[in-house]
Amino acid sequence: KQEVTQIPAALSVPEGENLVLNCSFTDSAIYNLQWFRQDPGKGLTSLLLIQSSQREQTSGRLNASLDKSSGRSTLYIAASQPGDSATYLCAVPPGGATNKLIFGTGTLLAVQP
Amino acid sequence: DTAVSQTPKYLVTQMGNDKSIKCEQNLGHDTMYWYKQDSKKFLKIMFSYNNKELIINETVPNRFSPKSPDKAHLNLHINSLELGDSAVYFCASSQDTRAYEAFFGQGTRLTVV
Repeated sequence: KQEVTQIPAALSVPEGENLVLNCSFTDSAIYNLQWFRQDPGKGLTSLLLIQSSQREQTSGRLNASLDKSSGRSTLYIAASQPGDSATYLCAVPPGGATNKLIFGTGTLLAVQP
Repeated sequence: DTAVSQTPKYLVTQMGNDKSIKCEQNLGHDTMYWYKQDSKKFLKIMFSYNNKELIINETVPNRFSPKSPDKAHLNLHINSLELGDSAVYFCASSQDTRAYEAFFGQGTRLTVV
C-alpha cells in the first residue's frame, strides 16, 4: 500500500532564503509525482509534474527532483518570497496504477517578510 | 477561464438533509475525480470517472452518489448528511487515466450542523 510522507510538517523561513521540502513514498513503482500548492481556503494549484523517467523538473524558482529507487522527491524553492507562503503537497499514483493520487501530509510554509 | 469549477463554494446544511455539489471542467479531459479533505487537511480519493464510467469507488458510504451526465461534468450527491461529512470536497480532472497531470477545482467547504 502506497504511503506518502512529507517532512517537515511546518517550516518558517525569512524572506530570501532557499529552502527544501521533502516527500517520501513507500512504493517506488510510480508513473510520476506531482507537487501542488494550496493557499488557505483555496484549491490546489499544480506546480510541477515529474515523470518516472525524469530526475528533475524546473519552473521558475521551483525545482523538483525525483529519486524513485529511494522513494524520495524534493521541492527546492529559491529566493523565497512571502507570496510563497502556502501548504505544499506531493502526490503519486499508487504503485502500478494511474487512476488516482495518493497525497502526502503536506508542509505548511511561512515566509516571513 | 476557469479550468475546473465547482459550485457551490460553501455549503452549510443540517443533519439529515440531501445536497449536491456540481463540477465542470473545460479542459476536454476524459477523467474526473472527487477528493475529500478532512479537518486535518488530509486529501483522499473518493471516486474516479473515465468517459462517464465509474472506475474507482474508495469504500465511500452509499449515501454518496456521483453522477456524470457527460465527460465535462461530475456531480456529487449526498443523502442523509451526517456531522462527519463536514469537509472540503475537491473535484479534479486529468486527460485520461494514464497518469497525466491532475487539475483541481477550488473546493466546496461543506459544513453539517
